[in-house]
Amino acid sequence: NAGVTQTPKFRILKIGQSMTLQCAQDMNHNYMYWYRQDPGMGLKLIYYSVGAGITDKGEVPNGYNVSRSTTEDFPLRLELAAPSQTSVYFCASSYRGTPEETQYFGPGTRLLVL
Amino acid sequence: KNQVEQSPQSLIILEGKNCTLQCNYTVSPFSNLRWYKQDTGRGPVSLTIMTFSENTKSNGRYTATLDADTKQSSLHITASQLSDSASYICVVSGGYSSASKIIFGSGTRLSIRP
Repeated sequence: NAGVTQTPKFRILKIGQSMTLQCAQDMNHNYMYWYRQDPGMGLKLIYYSVGAGITDKGEVPNGYNVSRSTTEDFPLRLELAAPSQTSVYFCASSYRGTPEETQYFGPGTRLLVL
Repeated sequence: KNQVEQSPQSLIILEGKNCTLQCNYTVSPFSNLRWYKQDTGRGPVSLTIMTFSENTKSNGRYTATLDADTKQSSLHITASQLSDSASYICVVSGGYSSASKIIFGSGTRLSIRP
């Protein structure tokens, strides 16, 4: 199993541009998550999904959109990139959403908005 | 306010030495506490998880402790190796089912010198 994969690994965007960060998992997990990690800060939850067709906001959803059309894929969309969105983005998945469930993380996408 | 604070922010030790990382939290209600290891350029990987009733848990050379009364946890690394160089993140889950109740610490950056 590849686990959780993310593309691209690194991207530079200009202010106002849009892009989609891709995330896929092959573990048949129901729950998927998007986090951002800023320097010196803990990971913050952007959006999560409990299954295909069902998504919900996390702590910092503004400026982002998500969709979950399949169990495997959970893309994150940035519509109008802003410098404040410069960060490292991690996708994660888990079989259940209970607190004791282990989340498996992808390798991350480093995004720079100039 | 739900918070997870880790200390020190960074630590440098010589290969073969032991070290202890600290985590204090104010998350309530408390469900469990997990330590993650994050290698540079990679996503976090779970090391240990402890619930309210557990005082200590080991994973090879890693030993985590939990004092639920004082809301403190520590991660002790024995006989450090170069491969232990990474960030170690303390994560506390509150509540019982919501994905949005997971609080990440900002991590301790550990560097092992030969």
